[in-house]
Amino acid sequence: AQSVTQLDSQVPVFEEAPVELRCNYSSSVSVYLFWYVQYPNQGLQLLLKYLSGSTLVKGINGFEAEFNKSQTSFHLRKPSVHISDTAEYFCAVIWNSGNTPLVFGKGTRLSVIA
Amino acid sequence: DADVTQTPRNRITKTGKRIMLECSQTKGHDRMYWYRQDPGLGLRLIYYSFDVKDINKGEISDGYSVSRQAQAKFSLSLESAIPNQTALYFCATSGVRQGRTEAFFGQGTRLTVV
Repeated sequence: AQSVTQLDSQVPVFEEAPVELRCNYSSSVSVYLFWYVQYPNQGLQLLLKYLSGSTLVKGINGFEAEFNKSQTSFHLRKPSVHISDTAEYFCAVIWNSGNTPLVFGKGTRLSVIA
Repeated sequence: DADVTQTPRNRITKTGKRIMLECSQTKGHDRMYWYRQDPGLGLRLIYYSFDVKDINKGEISDGYSVSRQAQAKFSLSLESAIPNQTALYFCATSGVRQGRTEAFFGQGTRLTVV
């Protein structure tokens, strides 16, 4: 079965430090890739997506992610985090160019420390 | 008004009761999904529908059923609720035919089964 693995369940980081949240997925067939953020007591909102083209994708709030087909990875990065980035982050994948449902990883809780 | 609306937002019910969670969307999207969120387990797919006449089981469909009454409405039913169905439930839509691959989420329904 196709799966999405977020390698870190929790990531604590000091304010203004860089952060990388890791995401790997099974199978190297054609994929669409997404990162979502969930702030406390809220729904999910899209941070960024990769459908095709440039492997470096820029999203909202200064986040970016890089698609690496050979590594089947889509890691999320931010060069300098803020307290307001404290949230849960979910990686999600659609396989086969859209003919399958959206499958999520288990999430990474990012805690930014002042 | 929200594009994806879930009702109710909160519900407490007793073991053995039948309960329905409703989802409606104003985005005109073809695809609709039901997920449940549990701490540490991410979002797990219960059912999804790519069109009104296309209903598919997800990863954890046992104990649940769905109805796609119209393109804009997708209801989730728990025929006989049990305590381990206590969770946060999310409805989502995506419009692949409209060129919008990413999913848009409702605000969630917090269900407690006692």
